[in-house]
Amino acid sequence: DADVTQTPRNRITKTGKRIMLECSQTKGHDRMYWYRQDPGLGLRLIYYSFDVKDINKGEISDGYSVSRQAQAKFSLSLESAIPNQTALYFCATGLAGGGEQFFGPGTRLTVL
Amino acid sequence: AQSVTQLDSHVSVSEGTPVLLRCNYSSSYSPSLFWYVQHPNKGLQLLLKYTSAATLVKGINGFEAEFKKSETSFHLTKPSAHMSDAAEYFCVVSEGSGGYNKLIFGAGTRLAVHP
Repeated sequence: DADVTQTPRNRITKTGKRIMLECSQTKGHDRMYWYRQDPGLGLRLIYYSFDVKDINKGEISDGYSVSRQAQAKFSLSLESAIPNQTALYFCATGLAGGGEQFFGPGTRLTVL
Repeated sequence: AQSVTQLDSHVSVSEGTPVLLRCNYSSSYSPSLFWYVQHPNKGLQLLLKYTSAATLVKGINGFEAEFKKSETSFHLTKPSAHMSDAAEYFCVVSEGSGGYNKLIFGAGTRLAVHP
């Protein structure tokens, strides 16, 4: 969905490096989410934010941090990347009470 | 806690034949249920959603799903597969109250369509 963009789309990095993944949206949604996708596990929630002043941990937040710089921007950081953080990362947006979420194209991250 | 089980990790059909992707859920509330599709190297696209209205839900690209509370199922069907349907499909349940909707994803079913 072109309304939710993620940068970079692909990234290869080394163990111990700091990495930031960025997400922007033009949908005007208050809620934003970060997920990771691993084969056979579906998507798992890392962090979510209901507005600029609200940040919450998801089920797998260890090793990650986030920043909600504005309503439209939500970034995910890996302070010290490790190989088991190699995955496909998705940003999503949503409305309160709407249920469904709208996903960006994903960032493929490889940690060597 | 809510959970979602997709009963088949891979499904293979011939073009023009019916598609059935199976999903069972567990929920202590009246759930909202979704099917998303992920084409190779693409993000997730919403196919359809159930939110306690009609139990038979029609989605995009000819897909539909039927909510069966007695069977706790939400299977996805399509009468006639097309080559472009080859993708991974995720059954998703929405959990939460007080205005917070957390999505719980199944592990996914990869659909292959053969000529």
